[in-house]
Amino acid sequence: DAGVTQSPTHLIKTRGQQVTLRCSPISGHKSVSWYQQVLGQGPQFIFQYYEKEERGRGNFPDRFSARQFPNYSSELNVNALLLGDSALYLCASSNIQGGYTFGSGTRLTVV
Amino acid sequence: AQTVTQSQPEMSVQEAETVTLSCTYDTSESDYYLFWYKQPPSRQMILVIRQEAYKQQNATENRFSVNFQKAAKSFSLKISDSQLGDAAMYFCAYRFAYSGAGSYQLTFGKGTKLSVIP
Repeated sequence: DAGVTQSPTHLIKTRGQQVTLRCSPISGHKSVSWYQQVLGQGPQFIFQYYEKEERGRGNFPDRFSARQFPNYSSELNVNALLLGDSALYLCASSNIQGGYTFGSGTRLTVV
Repeated sequence: AQTVTQSQPEMSVQEAETVTLSCTYDTSESDYYLFWYKQPPSRQMILVIRQEAYKQQNATENRFSVNFQKAAKSFSLKISDSQLGDAAMYFCAYRFAYSGAGSYQLTFGKGTKLSVIP
């Protein structure tokens, strides 16, 4: 079985631009969570979606948004990028109460 | 709010020796899960071991074991017979056991960088 797939693996954006990150969960998993990991820190929770509904949101500004599609894949959008948004963005899939499987992440650099 | 603290930013261990990584947490809940994740340079978070708070028995996975002290809110990871491939960042994480219609988010510590010396 394929693991959690994230795309792209790396990207570079300019301040003020918008970015969309994508995640495909493990087959059969209906929940996707997004985490931001700044260099040298532990991951911080951004969103969790289950069955296409938002289940939780971390302490992030409204510039961050996400959605989940009928096939359970998910997109994370960040508008008006700031230098401080530079980070590794991790996606994790699970069966809502089950264990989490993480993807390899998207490294976002904002210049 | 739940917090997870890892007080050792860096640790090192000789190959084949044993090392213990520390983690403390704060919660008012009685039922929860605790995890240790490994993050090698490849960036992917890999689950090492998981502990349910209602279980008194410490979890064990091959060379990895935990010392779970619920009253002290302590959850340390012991790695026996350390191997070069164990070198990585290790994160301790917490999650509610039951959140109803809420989220089942993980709360992570800041991590411990483990180096293995040949």
